[in-house]
Amino acid sequence: DSGVTQTPKHLITATGQRVTLRCSPRSGDLSVYWYQQSLDQGLQFLIQYYNGEERAKGNILERFSAQQFPDLHSELNLSSLELGDSALYFCASSTLGGEAFFGQGTRLTVV
Amino acid sequence: QQQVKQSPQSLIVQKGGISIINCAYENTAFDYFPWYQQFPGKGPALLIAIRPDVSEKKEGRFTISFNKSAKQFSLHIMDSQPGDSATYFCAASIGTSGSRLTFGEGTQLTVNP
Repeated sequence: DSGVTQTPKHLITATGQRVTLRCSPRSGDLSVYWYQQSLDQGLQFLIQYYNGEERAKGNILERFSAQQFPDLHSELNLSSLELGDSALYFCASSTLGGEAFFGQGTRLTVV
Repeated sequence: QQQVKQSPQSLIVQKGGISIINCAYENTAFDYFPWYQQFPGKGPALLIAIRPDVSEKKEGRFTISFNKSAKQFSLHIMDSQPGDSATYFCAASIGTSGSRLTFGEGTQLTVNP
């Protein structure tokens, strides 16, 4: 168990809908990262937050947004969902400069 | 743009054999090179990592070889076991291990008993 908790584990939703994925980082970790894992794109970095502030941004679509709350948990919001958004979404957390620990992921299926 | 290229895509090895997975990177600013192991239904887990000031790092049966001039690094799994069957990802980042990771495409390793 990495100590990073992601909910829900599975999510099935229809095209055009909006979903929210939640991540609780390991105790003491201030950095949270979101990654998307799909068959055709592999593991892609989406966005990083550090202590509530956006720190780095990858190839995150404009339909996607994230935030980190004062209690350090993070949420990834995906809107206007398309079939191609079906993927595994991973959250990872770390101390600044420390190893990144990954959660078990949320499997999103858009139908 | 794929900045870290990994091969092979899949690998089948007999128990006790050596598994070798290779990666090449483009961005010379990368200075941290981890390998992750992922089992089905689980998130990636750090296996071993290296910085470019050393050419080799060994931890148990796992060894990273690093060639800075060629911009290549590889993972060697000695005495491969069926329990090593998983997907392996190389990755690279700039600055610290806690930075954004650029992953290779992954290698699905199967170790036959």
